[in-house]
This record gives sequence, C-alpha cells and structure tokens, in this order.
Amino acid sequence: EPEVTQTPSHQVTQMGQEVILRCVPISNHLYFYWYRQILGQKVEFLVSFYNNEISEKSEIFDDQFSVERPDGSNFTLKIRSTKLEDSAMYFCASRQEGADTQYFGPGTRLTVL
Amino acid sequence: KQEVTQIPAALSVPEGENLVLNCSFTDSAIYNLQWFRQDPGKGLTSLLLIQSSQREQTSGRLNASLDKSSGRSTLYIAASQPGDSATYLCAVRTDSWGKLQFGAGTQVVVTP
Repeated sequence: EPEVTQTPSHQVTQMGQEVILRCVPISNHLYFYWYRQILGQKVEFLVSFYNNEISEKSEIFDDQFSVERPDGSNFTLKIRSTKLEDSAMYFCASRQEGADTQYFGPGTRLTVL
Repeated sequence: KQEVTQIPAALSVPEGENLVLNCSFTDSAIYNLQWFRQDPGKGLTSLLLIQSSQREQTSGRLNASLDKSSGRSTLYIAASQPGDSATYLCAVRTDSWGKLQFGAGTQVVVTP
C-alpha cells in the first residue's frame, strides 16, 4: 500500500541553524500538508499546499518557515534560524483530489539545542 | 473559533471489554471528522472518516458515530485487545483546503 515517507526520522540542530525536512507524498496525491506536535500537546496545522502554491497557512507559519515542491515527488519544509520552541514532531500528510482522507507520514522529530 | 476536545484523556480497560472514546467540537460547520491512531513516537494512522452528512461509519471492530448538531462523535472499539493500546485522536476538517483541527487524544491501555 502506498505510504507517505519522511526523512530524516530525527534531526538535531543548534539554535539559529536552518533545517530542511523532507517528505515524499503518495504519488497521485495533489494536496500536501505540514503539521507539528510539540511534546505533550495537540497536533497543530502549519500549512497546506496545492498546485505549487500555499493554499492556507496558520499563524504559526511565519516568515521563518517556507515550503517547496522542488520536483515531482518531494515536498519540503524549511525552517530558518531555528529556535528552541521549534522542537517538535513534524508530520507531512497528503490527500488525493476528490477524496477526503489525509494520509500521514511517520514524522520527523526535530530537536533544537 | 473551533475547539476540539477529547474526554477522557486516558483510559485503561481489561482485554475483551468494549472501548468508548468521545470527541466534541464547538463549531458544527465541519466537512468531516476523522479518527486516527497514534503509537508512541510514531505517525498517525487513519482509522475512520465520517462525512458531515453521515451518522455512522464502521470498519471491522471499529464504529464511529457523528452527531453534528450537538458537536459530538464517539468511537467504539468492540472486544478490545492489548494491540489496541495507543492514543486515539479525532480531527475535524474545517475548510475546503482540508485543514484538520485535532483533539488532544485519549490514551488507551488494554491490559491482558
């Protein structure tokens, strides 16, 4: 069964550094999402992406964040100048056009020291 | 503003007992509601999705109901097994782009 994959599974970085989290959505899906879950808190929506542009973003998704679909398969989340409070599990999800179920990847645990 | 709440936060039952997990939301203007399972340190696995026009959805031992007007959904898991131990999350879709808003989850432990 097709799956959403994410790399790396765990990323450790120093405060102020830039990180890129990578996702490969399910191949025929057209809607892509990033969510995050700070330890012990709810899963929070960050951004949705469709037709090579951001369709919606949350208040969390400020100028520190950006998303890109650099080729036909990858979907990336870049976090510039990381802060301690960016430490969280980041989930990528994708959805097929005309369908409702979102399929989530296994997540990338980001630790900012 | 939409708020999604799950009660109880944690639940422990002996194997074989039925599980009842509750989810409530404050704004009934939803597209659908999705139930997920999350194992420790892992991603989210979709269990069931109920459209806003539906009252119920079933898959194997799982049954989810939706009462949109009262802002409630219930996930029933029949004849629980130790392998059902996990955190169960509900999420409502709130707009046309598919944004999901999650509850905090119910952590379930099924003891042998």
